[in-house]
Amino acid sequence: NAGVTQTPKFRVLKTGQSMTLLCAQDMNHEYMYWYRQDPGMGLRLIHYSVGEGTTAKGEVPDGYNVSRLKKQNFLLGLESAAPSQTSVYFCASSYSTQYYGYTFGSGTRLTVV
Amino acid sequence: AQTVTQSQPEMSVQEAETVTLSCTYDTSENNYYLFWYKQPPSRQMILVIRQEAYKQQNATENRFSVNFQKAAKSFSLKISDSQLGDTAMYFCAFTGADGLTFGKGTHLIIQP
Repeated sequence: NAGVTQTPKFRVLKTGQSMTLLCAQDMNHEYMYWYRQDPGMGLRLIHYSVGEGTTAKGEVPDGYNVSRLKKQNFLLGLESAAPSQTSVYFCASSYSTQYYGYTFGSGTRLTVV
Repeated sequence: AQTVTQSQPEMSVQEAETVTLSCTYDTSENNYYLFWYKQPPSRQMILVIRQEAYKQQNATENRFSVNFQKAAKSFSLKISDSQLGDTAMYFCAFTGADGLTFGKGTHLIIQP
């Protein structure tokens, strides 16, 4: 049982380049989330999805887009990367928004130079 | 809006000691859940313990226990008989209508 899998684990981008981070879960969870983690800031919600075909903005959505075409996958896109997007990105999924807490992927370290 | 505050950016204790990490939160909701997550150097987010707000009894998981004070909106984590493997970032998190909100974390260092 893989849980939540994020690819890639590391990436270096040049300013202005684009990329897509992939999150896949095999637990049949309805809810999926993308967070970014920066030193001293904790985890901040970028976008989330409450089911296949749905997406919604979180606390820090600017500069990112997401898609949930299949229930098991949640994609995070950066159309034109900026140095301010250098961060560790975590994907998470949950059965519901509350009781069960979230299952996290192992994170993607992204550096934009 | 929900907020979670962890007032201790870093703590250091000797192995086998007991340590308490503080967390306060702010919400107008009555039904919610609280969590402590551990993030070791491997970066993986690991659920340590969970507490339902409607339960008065404090949650316990082996060496980890919480002191939940609903009226004070306080949710501290106590680690007993601390071990070197407990060295990690610890995040307090709250989940309500707006989903999961994290505090900024406490870096706990267990000294040999």
